[in-house]
Amino acid sequence: EAQVTQNPRYLITVTGKKLTVTCSQNMNHEYMSWYRQDPGLGLRQIYYSMNVEVTDKGDVPEGYKVSRKEKRNFPLILESPSPNQTSLYFCASSLFRWGQPQHFGDGTRLSIL
Amino acid sequence: SQQGEEDPQALSIQEGENATMNCSYKTSINNLQWYRQNSGRGLVHLILIRSNEREKHSGRLRVTLDTSKKSSSLLITASRAADTASYFCATDDASEFVDGNEKLTFGTGTRLTIIP
Repeated sequence: EAQVTQNPRYLITVTGKKLTVTCSQNMNHEYMSWYRQDPGLGLRQIYYSMNVEVTDKGDVPEGYKVSRKEKRNFPLILESPSPNQTSLYFCASSLFRWGQPQHFGDGTRLSIL
Repeated sequence: SQQGEEDPQALSIQEGENATMNCSYKTSINNLQWYRQNSGRGLVHLILIRSNEREKHSGRLRVTLDTSKKSSSLLITASRAADTASYFCATDDASEFVDGNEKLTFGTGTRLTIIP
């Protein structure tokens, strides 16, 4: 089954404790991205990747890192999480960037205390 | 910055009625997409309409695009309880393609509730 898998689905952690949210897709998609969803603000793009080893900042990249060492995986790293990063995070992928529907994971609800 | 803005923010209708949601955007686009999000889940792609298209259908969904007014509408006919969800429009900014800054921008969504 074609899917985008995120882990964990839920995480409660404390300020400053490094964490990684994994994202994997099995559709051989070139384009992957991370979004955060906050009430009243909709989805905002954090980082995106056009292909392996090609990543770039979205609208709200501060406090986040990503890597794209393999085509299928696009982890989101919070080196020193802070409470303002409490949010619902989504990973998405598409065959390539332009004019393609995005396939979303089920989301990761992150709470930073 | 937000490109698409959905209207209304919330909509409640009786099952069987039609639901119409609107999306307005600010800049020239290459295409516009509509997505559905069930509570607490990921977004699901519904339909993509390109800037040179005016109308598109998919099952009970009908999407229109008016590039002169920079607006789009999503019509769900004969609504069902399972249509209860939030609906988002997303746009490709044509100017960002030229600058090489590829980005899909989402609106804040319309919360649709179907009353059985």
